[in-house]
Amino acid sequence: GAGVSQSPRYKVTKRGQDVALRCDPISGHVSLYWYRQALGQGPEFLTYFNYEAQQDKSGLPNDRFSAERPEGSISTLTIQRTEQRDSAMYRCASSLGAAGAEGEAFFGQGTRLTVV
Amino acid sequence: QKEVEQNSGPLSVPEGAIASLNCTYSDRVSQSFFWYRQYSGKSPELIMSIYSNGDKEDGRFTAQLNKASQYVSLLIRDSQPSDSATYLCAVEDNAGNMLTFGGGTRLMVKP
Repeated sequence: GAGVSQSPRYKVTKRGQDVALRCDPISGHVSLYWYRQALGQGPEFLTYFNYEAQQDKSGLPNDRFSAERPEGSISTLTIQRTEQRDSAMYRCASSLGAAGAEGEAFFGQGTRLTVV
Repeated sequence: QKEVEQNSGPLSVPEGAIASLNCTYSDRVSQSFFWYRQYSGKSPELIMSIYSNGDKEDGRFTAQLNKASQYVSLLIRDSQPSDSATYLCAVEDNAGNMLTFGGGTRLMVKP
């Protein structure tokens, strides 16, 4: 596609339910990042992939959060047993990959998650 | 823990003035540096990248990098009301892996 696509754009879920957020990166982009952004703050790193390999998941808050990118393209961020504190904008970004100029990331529109 | 620090602002400048946005980072071996602009309710968009010490100019924007001081800045000349946004500094680690963002500086350009 022309840009990074995330779905759904908005998700309201009840506390305790599981949610899956999807990211479809720009075609050919090797690296895919997941961030969480609270209102008025910068994006907080969660995890990233090069191809299908999860390179760093140190930003995932706890073991309720997981992510996968099984074929090196589309990625899913899953939050199990959601809690109200999980409410935030979840942003996906992709880049060509590797160091230097290829590290420029392009963001999707985000998924606004609200846990009630 | 790698940190990227920015003054949250708001930074208020009159139309036509130069806006100066600053960022410091903790990881001395960082190699790549980026400035993103984020309008309210929108996603961040890349506006400048810089990889070596010195200045890099692109239109009204100039990025400045000083690796010895671990400092990167963005100058916006002839500021316009349409420049009003939050500006995010981002730093890529030495391996070209992780992109860490600062908290952003909110810029307000007043007509």
